[in-house]
Amino acid sequence: GQQVMQIPQYQHVQEGEDFTTYCNSSTTLSNIQWYKQRPGGHPVFLIQLVKSGEVKKQKRLTFQFGEAKKNSSLHITATQTTDVGTYFCACDSGYSTLTFGKGTMLLVSP
Amino acid sequence: DAGVIQSPRHEVTEMGQEVTLRCKPISGHNSLFWYRQTMMRGLELLIYFNNNVPIDDSGMPEDRFSAKMPNASFSTLKIQPSEPRDSAVYFCASSKTQGAGSYEQYFGPGTRLTVT
Repeated sequence: GQQVMQIPQYQHVQEGEDFTTYCNSSTTLSNIQWYKQRPGGHPVFLIQLVKSGEVKKQKRLTFQFGEAKKNSSLHITATQTTDVGTYFCACDSGYSTLTFGKGTMLLVSP
Repeated sequence: DAGVIQSPRHEVTEMGQEVTLRCKPISGHNSLFWYRQTMMRGLELLIYFNNNVPIDDSGMPEDRFSAKMPNASFSTLKIQPSEPRDSAVYFCASSKTQGAGSYEQYFGPGTRLTVT
């Protein structure tokens, strides 16, 4: 079955530093989604990437989809304490369901 | 819009008891998903319904788990009998799908289940 690896598992940064999480799939994807889960909360959709090499930005967040459509990254510029949470990639291999990575937990110290 | 509604929010039960979790998806959404989240295994898909029909139940751990969706506005996930290893947060999510492919999923607040 499909395997999804997400690294790092955990990162602690100082406010203002950058942060990047990487997601790798064992299979070629039709699309990839990213979600954020605050401590004690539920996953919230951030974005969906569909095209090979696609890059999308949401304010300080930059999302990339690899050329081979097997990997993706989320980069946060100048982190803020409001960025705290766990970031998940969710991979669709074309079967209308998502396989979630284990997530990267981000802690931001003021 | 009220979002996805789940009940109860917390459930503590003893091993061997039956547990029923409930979900009301967002009105107009035609796909519903049940997930289980634990520290060890992360977020796992248990079952996926489309237009009230179970499409993929390959994630249901064993026969002790069952799920139903009698209409477009209600779904249940039942565990009978429950075991301590079933302790987890169970999320229901819904989406509006059109044809093949996956779409943005809206998650409910989850039910935290503890089986003692």
